[in-house]
Amino acid sequence: AQSVTQLDSQVPVFEEAPVELRCNYSSSVSVYLFWYVQYPNQGLQLLLKYLSGSTLVKGINGFEAEFNKSQTSFHLRKPSVHISDTAEYFCAVTPGTGNQFYFGTGTSLTVIP
Amino acid sequence: DTGVSQDPRHKITKRGQNVTFRCDPISEHNRLYWYRQTLGQGPEFLTYFQNEAQLEKSRLLSDRFSAERPKGSFSTLEIQRTEQGDSAMYLCASSSFRDRGGEKLFFGSGTQLSVL
Repeated sequence: AQSVTQLDSQVPVFEEAPVELRCNYSSSVSVYLFWYVQYPNQGLQLLLKYLSGSTLVKGINGFEAEFNKSQTSFHLRKPSVHISDTAEYFCAVTPGTGNQFYFGTGTSLTVIP
Repeated sequence: DTGVSQDPRHKITKRGQNVTFRCDPISEHNRLYWYRQTLGQGPEFLTYFQNEAQLEKSRLLSDRFSAERPKGSFSTLEIQRTEQGDSAMYLCASSSFRDRGGEKLFFGSGTQLSVL
């Protein structure tokens, strides 16, 4: 079985500061890793995904994530946040095509002006 | 690509009533998922269709819940004899078999169910 742990439920950060949202996963098989974002009153949108290859993955809106197999982590980073980045961020894993996704409990990012 | 649409956006019902939600996936997507999300939690898997076949159903899903996708296009999720614990956001997502190597889920905006 797979599971995802997001270590921080809330992360406040000042505008233009860097941010890291942490995600650890557990799985007995190889998985694909994802970060989704949910803006207020909107559906979840894909930020980025790791399938294979380079462990550093770049996504939309300046976000990137690094896959670390030894630490079973997939932390999300942005060097300089904007007010518009205020949202809920979910880390997710799936064993592969046609299987269900397992989501973490989410991290609420609040960017302070 | 008009996105995944869900109807209704909000549903308020009394305990014991039946409710039905509809999801229209992106037209060329053959896979459709239902998830449930409660406050402070991530989406929780309910069930999954490939075309019209329901391939997987969460063990957490009681027999009061049923989902269909009769023609492999839109899907409905019915909850019978609703309970207050069913109050949640019900999310639908779809994906394409062409997205090889790892699926990208496209989510709808959800149906918010409140059971009084």
